[in-house]
Amino acid sequence: AQTVTQSQPEMSVQEAETVTLSCTYDTSESDYYLFWYKQPPSRQMILVIRQEAYKQQNATENRFSVNFQKAAKSFSLKISDSQLGDAAMYFCAYQGAQKLVFGQGTRLTINP
Amino acid sequence: ETGVTQTPRHLVMGMTNKKSLKCEQHLGHNAMYWYKQSAKKPLELMFVYSLEERVENNSVPSRFSPECPNSSHLFLHLHTLQPEDSALYLCASSLGFVGVAPDTQYFGPGTRLTVL
Repeated sequence: AQTVTQSQPEMSVQEAETVTLSCTYDTSESDYYLFWYKQPPSRQMILVIRQEAYKQQNATENRFSVNFQKAAKSFSLKISDSQLGDAAMYFCAYQGAQKLVFGQGTRLTINP
Repeated sequence: ETGVTQTPRHLVMGMTNKKSLKCEQHLGHNAMYWYKQSAKKPLELMFVYSLEERVENNSVPSRFSPECPNSSHLFLHLHTLQPEDSALYLCASSLGFVGVAPDTQYFGPGTRLTVL
């Protein structure tokens, strides 16, 4: 079975600084997607970024970028120029042919 | 409206009540999902529908009854719930057919359910 592990229950960063959230996963599948979802206090689960496993280039969405290390099964999220609106729970997730598997989440606090 | 919508956003019900949660997706997707998110627990997949056919039921108690009348609408009928069923219920949809290839799920805002 696929598993997703986020080893940082909580992280904090100063506004305008850069922070990296860690995620590791385990799978025997070759075709999969990896995601970072953000869940702010409103509880809406918002897609932040997606990485297809077959792509070697790391995905980027404005201030959000990933470091995808396929051999190491590592998928970290870097948030540059952190803003107060980035404060949320961040979930790493794996999608193979079947279920979407979520990590436990990392609570990110932005300090003004 | 765009994306995935859910109604109601908040629901308080007694253990003997019957209520329904509604989800609607405006994305032209073919698969829809119900998840339960309890405090301090990971998201739990409850039901999956692909082209209106239920393809997964993760050992969910029968007091939860899903219904998918078409590919745009998904309901979760609730009856004789327990206080431990209080949680955030999230609906999601994805474009592709379940079990074929990886896909991206888009979530609604959730319904916060409190069972008294």
